[in-house]
Amino acid sequence: QSVLAQPPSASGTPGQRVTISCSGSSSNIGSNTVNWYRQLPGTAPTFLIYSDNQRPSGVPDRFSVSQSGTSASLAISGLQSEDEADYYCAAWDDSLQGHVFGTGTKVTVL
Amino acid sequence: QVLLVESGPRLVKSSETLSLTCTVSGDGGSFRNYYWTWIRQPPGKGLEWIGFIFHNGRVNYNPSLKSRVIISIDTSRNRFSLNLSSVTAADTAVYYCARVVAFPGRFDPWGQGTLVTVSA
Repeated sequence: QSVLAQPPSASGTPGQRVTISCSGSSSNIGSNTVNWYRQLPGTAPTFLIYSDNQRPSGVPDRFSVSQSGTSASLAISGLQSEDEADYYCAAWDDSLQGHVFGTGTKVTVL
Repeated sequence: QVLLVESGPRLVKSSETLSLTCTVSGDGGSFRNYYWTWIRQPPGKGLEWIGFIFHNGRVNYNPSLKSRVIISIDTSRNRFSLNLSSVTAADTAVYYCARVVAFPGRFDPWGQGTLVTVSA
């Protein structure tokens, strides 16, 4: 079951900026760092970006994140066709003493 | 570079036990320094955290699966395993293993995943 809410889809034309929200509660996002994962079609998810906006090797600087209160967001600027993927947020939940995932957002480049 | 590979039967009969192993390589001897986790994804659906384990045997499971899950670890072979009992069609999913970095931080890297189908 998913505890973090994300919009099911987001889209934009090449070059546009797309933002994905992730909404949780005080026991997860409200007190812990949110992590974001990208799942390209037919592949395993991969860690996408650090909370301080540093990125693993190979991830372009078009990706950025923010977090405030019980919500977080992932922004993709200068949208490119290669950004078409499913994006998931995740966080530790202090009440569950376990990890929770977002419902996932499918990004489409029009 | 750390590599995780899932292995185990791809087809399990309903009511039986699903068993998978994740073998970790390339970690330079740091297997005992990390938590390790299982995550699954039913076809066409989102990700679901199953549970984690540490080298000392500390585990925790998703409450929704807790009564049916056992995760174990073999530090001598750098591998950890998942047992899910009394499976039904709802347990059909791609099962991923992953390393937990800066616990309870991020999952990185992930295995390639293995599709397990539960048959009637």
